[in-house]
Amino acid sequence: RKEVEQDPGPFNVPEGATVAFNCTYSNSASQSFFWYRQDCRKEPKLLMSVYSSGNEDGRFTAQLNRASQYISLLIRDSKLSDSATYLCVINDYKLSFGAGTTVTVRA
Amino acid sequence: GAVVSQHPSRVICKSGTSVKIECRSLDFQATTMFWYRQFPKQSLMLMATSNEGSKATYEQGVEKDKFLINHASLTLSTLTVTSAHPEDSSFYICSASSERGATNEKLFFGSGTQLSVL
Repeated sequence: RKEVEQDPGPFNVPEGATVAFNCTYSNSASQSFFWYRQDCRKEPKLLMSVYSSGNEDGRFTAQLNRASQYISLLIRDSKLSDSATYLCVINDYKLSFGAGTTVTVRA
Repeated sequence: GAVVSQHPSRVICKSGTSVKIECRSLDFQATTMFWYRQFPKQSLMLMATSNEGSKATYEQGVEKDKFLINHASLTLSTLTVTSAHPEDSSFYICSASSERGATNEKLFFGSGTQLSVL
């Protein structure tokens, strides 16, 4: 089993739609969790950390489910500019990256 | 926020030549920098951890004699791909942490280098 697994997508959604996707991790001792955004052939950029109680940043909501070992990202009222690949990053003794979930928002 | 500068952003070279990629932390001292490689539609794969003033730690399967890492100062790390071959063509990216070892460690990435070996 991979350390971090994501549905690669792509998720094709119209503007204004809500899109959500998960990331599963194998190490139950993982300590911290992040979502990064990566545009094509660009560096990943931190979108948000994921806290145990769940957290929100504008249109983005992140949640952590330790029992089932996954984190999720929900994007509300999606914009064209949200089109990107979203990487989940898990920190146990080292940082492990998912392969990314591609989201395409269409007009 | 922390800034990491990486260059060149793109390089095309002939097979057998060596390519050097630089990574600088501009507004903080990075005792540790990381080098990743990313093939299309795949995740970032850690190649090595670069520590200032000491030898880099390579991940399993990464040839240390092929991918030379030098971390000469607290703000500069370089990756040299020696005798590059077409299979080395990839997106190489560095990162540095401003809170190394913290549970909320965040990474700041360079802008990446797209290497194409002909």
